[in-house]
Amino acid sequence: SAVISQKPSRDICQRGTSLTIQCQVDSQVTMMFWYRQQPGQSLTLIATANQGSEATYESGFVIDKFPISRPNLTFSTLTVSNMSPEDSSIYLCSGRGNEKLFFGSGTQLSVL
Amino acid sequence: KQEVTQIPAALSVPEGENLVLNCSFTDSAIYNLQWFRQDPGKGLTSLLLIQSSQREQTSGRLNASLDKSSGRSTLYIAASQPGDSATYLCAVANSGYALNFGKGTSLLVTP
Repeated sequence: SAVISQKPSRDICQRGTSLTIQCQVDSQVTMMFWYRQQPGQSLTLIATANQGSEATYESGFVIDKFPISRPNLTFSTLTVSNMSPEDSSIYLCSGRGNEKLFFGSGTQLSVL
Repeated sequence: KQEVTQIPAALSVPEGENLVLNCSFTDSAIYNLQWFRQDPGKGLTSLLLIQSSQREQTSGRLNASLDKSSGRSTLYIAASQPGDSATYLCAVANSGYALNFGKGTSLLVTP
């Protein structure tokens, strides 16, 4: 099974600033994804991080707000831009190895 | 759009009990179904993966079943322990792609 290291684990940010979350996988994975988990809600897919090309975003999420990079098969970043209190959530990255989906430990983001 | 529902939302049982967590989904054309455990501050841990062609999977005290035709899966936990306390998430893939998650069942096993 793959191990995904995600950082930071938590952060408190000011309105209008941006935060970049990093995920490093200990082995090559075919696909990487970014999810958001708002308080009391299920996980919602933000986008699929494509290696060497632009990410594929789900309905309701746009690149200007959540730019994503994936320069190689083991690393990806998600930036939460121009933050507002509504962006306060847990953000999780995941990777698909064989059939299973593996997750990072998540980033707890609070926006004041 | 695939909708995934988990019942109950929360469950509290004394140690040693066997218990069943339920998951239902609206689109039966699934690729696979996965059960996860979520602990605070520790992300998600994959417990069991059931392919669309399979009926059940077992790992230790855990058994997950899948009935595609009725759009249901159950996670059976035998002889529950306080260490089983966590949120259990059901997630469905409609392709070899990303997952649609339920809101989870929060389980508390009391000593």
